[in-house]
Amino acid sequence: GQNIDQPTEMTATEGAIVQINCTYQTSGFNGLFWYQQHAGEAPTFLSYNVLDGLEEKGRFSSFLSRSKGYSYLLLKELQMKDSASYLCAPTGANNLFFGTGTRLTVIP
Amino acid sequence: NAGVMQNPRHLVRRRGQEARLRCSPMKGHSHVYWYRQLPEEGLKFMVYLQKENIIDESGMPKERFSAEFPKEGPSILRIQQVVRGDSAAYFCASSPGLELANYGYTFGSGTRLTVV
Repeated sequence: GQNIDQPTEMTATEGAIVQINCTYQTSGFNGLFWYQQHAGEAPTFLSYNVLDGLEEKGRFSSFLSRSKGYSYLLLKELQMKDSASYLCAPTGANNLFFGTGTRLTVIP
Repeated sequence: NAGVMQNPRHLVRRRGQEARLRCSPMKGHSHVYWYRQLPEEGLKFMVYLQKENIIDESGMPKERFSAEFPKEGPSILRIQQVVRGDSAAYFCASSPGLELANYGYTFGSGTRLTVV
């Protein structure tokens, strides 16, 4: 089976930094994706980690520790448009498993 | 190069009717995945298909739900005798290969099914 745990909701201030944590247990794990989903829209790809360590891409960075079953998404210089759900998605044997997502609200 | 196309975008059905949801993968993608998202919940895997084959249907309800991906044409998710609990957003995603590690998914815009 699989288990994915991430906080349900977070609030942060515009211009700040926020870290969204995810712990997971899946069978057939190869790597971990992070997706962003605005309300009523499709999820869009943010990042992918297969090796331990930090992957940086502009304002967004993602970290993976395979041995600990742990990942986080780091968002810097928050903007109002970053208000969305962030989905942690470890791979399984044939597909991606998604957590319930973390709903981030950015306030002025 | 069009993305993953799903239609209809919104679908309203009365209880007991059938719902057919269509998904055309991105050009060059031969792997299709269906997910269901209930209000305020995460994406739940339903089924993974390649052309003319169901590879993994471990997330499909045992009754009333079926999926296909014919040699020609879009993938179809079919829900027979819909009930109110089937109301959800159904997302299709496609990938060029099994190596998710390299490609991940591209999602369609989803079909929002409302059962009245």
